[in-house]
Amino acid sequence: RKEVEQDPGPFNVPEGATVAFNCTYSNSASQSFFWYRQDCRKEPKLLMSVYSSGNEDGRFTAQLNRASQYISLLIRDSKLSDSATYLCVVRGGYNKLIFGAGTRLAVHP
Amino acid sequence: EPEVTQTPSHQVTQMGQEVILRCVPISNHLYFYWYRQILGQKVEFLVSFYNNEISEKSEIFDDQFSVERPDGSNFTLKIRSTKLEDSAMYFCASAREGPEAFFGQGTRLTVV
Repeated sequence: RKEVEQDPGPFNVPEGATVAFNCTYSNSASQSFFWYRQDCRKEPKLLMSVYSSGNEDGRFTAQLNRASQYISLLIRDSKLSDSATYLCVVRGGYNKLIFGAGTRLAVHP
Repeated sequence: EPEVTQTPSHQVTQMGQEVILRCVPISNHLYFYWYRQILGQKVEFLVSFYNNEISEKSEIFDDQFSVERPDGSNFTLKIRSTKLEDSAMYFCASAREGPEAFFGQGTRLTVV
């Protein structure tokens, strides 16, 4: 089983749509979780950390289900500028980050 | 806003040559990393560095790879004898504490 698994997509949605991404992780001892965003041929950028109680940052909502080892990201009111690859990331030992392969989002007018 | 900077942005090298990829982490950060991303694939961990020594390395980080922090500001990745399969984007990252890391813009390495 892969350490971090994501649906690769692509998700093609119109502006204004709500879209949800899911991710599962294999190590039940993992403690820290993140969503990063990566634009084509650019570096990953931290979008948000994911907390046990769930957290929201503007149009973005992240949820964590430890029992199911499942992380989600919800984007409301999608913008053209949200088009990117969204990376589910789990902290491993010595603070290294373990990346999923990413889910591609394309928002169209 | 402080950022991680990497040089060069693109390096082309012949197979078998040595390359050094350079990074300047954010100045008050304590943890330093190298990751790579082969085109179309996921970001993969190579090595982490803390307190002037390697804290963890992946299976990818074999004897051909080495890291140094020679002067308290630069953090370098050396590949001794490059192979075609080393072609990838190499990202440097740094963190103050904890796992929240900031990435540089990357160096695209092309081995021909």
